[in-house]
Amino acid sequence: KNQVEQSPQSLIILEGKNCTLQCNYTVSPFSNLRWYKQDTGRGPVSLTIMTFSENTKSNGRYTATLDADTKQSSLHITASQLSDSASYICVVSPILTGGGNKLTFGTGTQLKVEL
Amino acid sequence: ETGVTQTPRHLVMGMTNKKSLKCEQHLGHNAMYWYKQSAKKPLELMFVYNFKEQTENNSVPSRFSPECPNSSHLFLHLHTLQPEDSALYLCASSQERGVYYNEQFFGPGTRLTVL
Repeated sequence: KNQVEQSPQSLIILEGKNCTLQCNYTVSPFSNLRWYKQDTGRGPVSLTIMTFSENTKSNGRYTATLDADTKQSSLHITASQLSDSASYICVVSPILTGGGNKLTFGTGTQLKVEL
Repeated sequence: ETGVTQTPRHLVMGMTNKKSLKCEQHLGHNAMYWYKQSAKKPLELMFVYNFKEQTENNSVPSRFSPECPNSSHLFLHLHTLQPEDSALYLCASSQERGVYYNEQFFGPGTRLTVL
């Protein structure tokens, strides 16, 4: 069964500090992996997307890494800001013959940035 | 703004009511989705439409009835819901082509409360 597991489940850090969120998946073969940011009560917004051949992708203070051999990804946030407080969701898209739309979502890491 | 809008943003309804959720995408995509997001659970795919045709029904109860009149609009008709149906309902769209196929863009969601 395809699964995506994220850790930690929740995290509190001080403003200005860095943090790293983890994602382990069992989806295979997979097409791409994305990280989404979801503010409370809002829809998820894409931060990064990587194919299986890419091992790093940056978007401002967000840097995602991917190790397709160990089936692990991480999202590193640099110099955190209060506005980074949100849920971060790892999403894996499988390769499906004939196309397809099925994504496998993690439960997310709830990040809170405090003063 | 992601180019996907949803109305209403909040909805409170009784178990005997009938209501509809609306989603519109302004991105020229050809696939649209309904998801249910409950607290501390991964997003659950409900329905998928490709080129207005329903291609996925993820064992959703018949009290949820989707409608896709064209590639830009998607509705979710609700009737005789249960309190456990209270959740955030998210609409998404994607373009089924290219390396980053299936990159889904989400709307802000409708927060539904069933009394």
